[in-house]
Amino acid sequence: DAKTTQPTSMDCAEGRAANLPCNHSTISGNEYVYWYRQIHSQGPQYIIHGLKNNETNEMASLIITEDRKSSTLILPHATLRDTAVYYCIVRETMSTLNFGNEKLTFGTGTRLTIIP
Amino acid sequence: DGGITQSPKYLFRKEGQNVTLSCEQNLNHDAMYWYRQDPGQGLRLIYYSQIVNDFQKGDIAEGYSVSREKKESFPLTVTSAQKNPTAFYLCASSIGRLSSYNEQFFGPGTRLTVL
Repeated sequence: DAKTTQPTSMDCAEGRAANLPCNHSTISGNEYVYWYRQIHSQGPQYIIHGLKNNETNEMASLIITEDRKSSTLILPHATLRDTAVYYCIVRETMSTLNFGNEKLTFGTGTRLTIIP
Repeated sequence: DGGITQSPKYLFRKEGQNVTLSCEQNLNHDAMYWYRQDPGQGLRLIYYSQIVNDFQKGDIAEGYSVSREKKESFPLTVTSAQKNPTAFYLCASSIGRLSSYNEQFFGPGTRLTVL
């Protein structure tokens, strides 16, 4: 079962900041929050991840609340190419053979539409 | 260019036939994964492999089989036992070692339609 809750859909005006919320109230102390996005009929693309500190890269910023029960992905200046389904995922480590391979449980995500 | 490739992009098969989907990566990643996606749904894990000659069942392995004879390749066979094989199939890979950074890279996907 998915361990995160996201709104089904959101709209954002082109050029504005898109703020995508995610609730992960049952997250455990060593679980990371990952964000991926999927443009129609393509493979998902990694955006960003974090444990407890806020993170920023060239694509987005990730704000994680102090209690780690929720987070927000921020696309600072949304463009039409940012229209996609955005997945918030809590990484579950599969620790067999002592390899750090993650099971990424994808829910249905948030369908973000950027409006011209 | 480093990356992960899947072929073909579109595949049609008759009901009752086995079909094998290709996945190749040149990223030198240890771990590889197969996911299935149905319309309007998220991804579900079929099989994963942590190293060569090893693989484990995911959440929906019934009716599927895999092999991992080479590090670069992780083919998925959709057998006639899979009751509803029409779907979008995605392959992914990751470094696979214990790390705080273990992004999964996805291929472009294969859309399988069983007639």
